Amino acid sequence: NAGVMQNPRHLVRRRGQEARLRCSPMKGHSHVYWYRQLPEEGLKFMVYLQKENIIDESGMPKERFSAEFPKEGPSILRIQQVVRGDSAAYFCASSPVEGGYTFGSGTRLTVV
Amino acid sequence: RKEVEQDPGPFNVPEGATVAFNCTYSNSASQSFFWYRQDCRKEPKLLMSVYSSGNEDGRFTAQLNRASQYISLLIRDSKLSDSATYLCVVSQRGFQKLVFGTGTRLLVSP
Repeated sequence: NAGVMQNPRHLVRRRGQEARLRCSPMKGHSHVYWYRQLPEEGLKFMVYLQKENIIDESGMPKERFSAEFPKEGPSILRIQQVVRGDSAAYFCASSPVEGGYTFGSGTRLTVV
Repeated sequence: RKEVEQDPGPFNVPEGATVAFNCTYSNSASQSFFWYRQDCRKEPKLLMSVYSSGNEDGRFTAQLNRASQYISLLIRDSKLSDSATYLCVVSQRGFQKLVFGTGTRLLVSP
């Protein structure tokens, strides 16, 4: 039973490019969460999704960031026109309808 | 003011020592409380949930004081493998949105 799968593990983008981060939840989990961890800081909630629905996006930056969790396929966190300040570790977690989180191993984004 | 505050450390202790971490939270509506462990450049992993009655899991004891909005973690008989960053985490609505502290770093030396 695979855990939460995130890919890629490492992503390097030049300023102005787009970054697409993927997250496949654990089997049987219908809830997906994205968190960002800036260097030397704690994890910050970004967005909570269920299949085809954004439930809470209160932590998402107003511009350039979007997330989706389609009926089929992984959840995608998209960052358009990346800037150096977007460099961080992005963690995805999933949970069943009721129950605890399982985190993926994260995607480390470096903007050069 | 941060919603969850922790002493960043590092706490340097010898093997076998007892070490305690504290955490305060500002939102009195918080309902769920946890300690997570994060190893360097890895994902956070749930160490234990925290209850007002206190709970123990082997060498680890967690305590919650709702009146003071204070959470603690006690580690007895420290092992080298306990070296990690310990994250204090609170939530207003179960697991739907976790608020993380910046973590307390523990270094256990031989």
